[in-house]
Amino acid sequence: RKEVEQDPGPFNVPEGATVAFNCTYSNSASQSFFWYRQDCRKEPKLLMSVYSSGNEDGRFTAQLNRASQYISLLIRDSKLSDSATYLCVVSPSGGSYIPTFGRGTSLIVHP
Amino acid sequence: GAGVSQSPSNKVTEKGKDVELRCDPISGHTALYWYRQRLGQGLEFLIYFQGNSAPDKSGLPSDRFSAERTGESVSTLTIQRTQQEDSAVYLCASSSLQVGKNIQYFGAGTRLSVL
Repeated sequence: RKEVEQDPGPFNVPEGATVAFNCTYSNSASQSFFWYRQDCRKEPKLLMSVYSSGNEDGRFTAQLNRASQYISLLIRDSKLSDSATYLCVVSPSGGSYIPTFGRGTSLIVHP
Repeated sequence: GAGVSQSPSNKVTEKGKDVELRCDPISGHTALYWYRQRLGQGLEFLIYFQGNSAPDKSGLPSDRFSAERTGESVSTLTIQRTQQEDSAVYLCASSSLQVGKNIQYFGAGTRLSVL
């Protein structure tokens, strides 16, 4: 089983739609969780951290379910500019500082 | 500078040549990471530095790959005797290793093409 798994998509949605991505992780001791965004031929950039209580940033909502070991990202009122690949990132606990990146979920928002 | 800087941004080389890729992390960031990303693929971890030491080199694909970091700052990734399968974007990231907030900041990458 891969350490971090994501549905590669692509998710093809119209402008204004609500779309949700899930990510599952295998290491139950994982400590920190993030969503990154990667535009085509660009570097990944932090979108938002994911907290146990869930957190929201504008149109974006991230949630963590430790019992089921998954993270979700909800995007409301999709914009054309949201088209990108969304990477789930899980950081371990303990002495390791090497995060694990999922392969990403591709989102295409069309007019 | 304000962000992670990588050079060159593009490198075209002939098979068998050596190449050196450079990364300037964000000032004060303890941790530095190198990744490889082939076209259409996910990030592949190569090596991680904490200060000038590399506690984890497990991702280096072969002994043709090596990396060093000096002054807890600049890092270079060297690929010897390049092969066509080395063609990829090489990304560098740095982090301040705050507890519970290991946020990585990426450079724009070096796009390596081996002919």
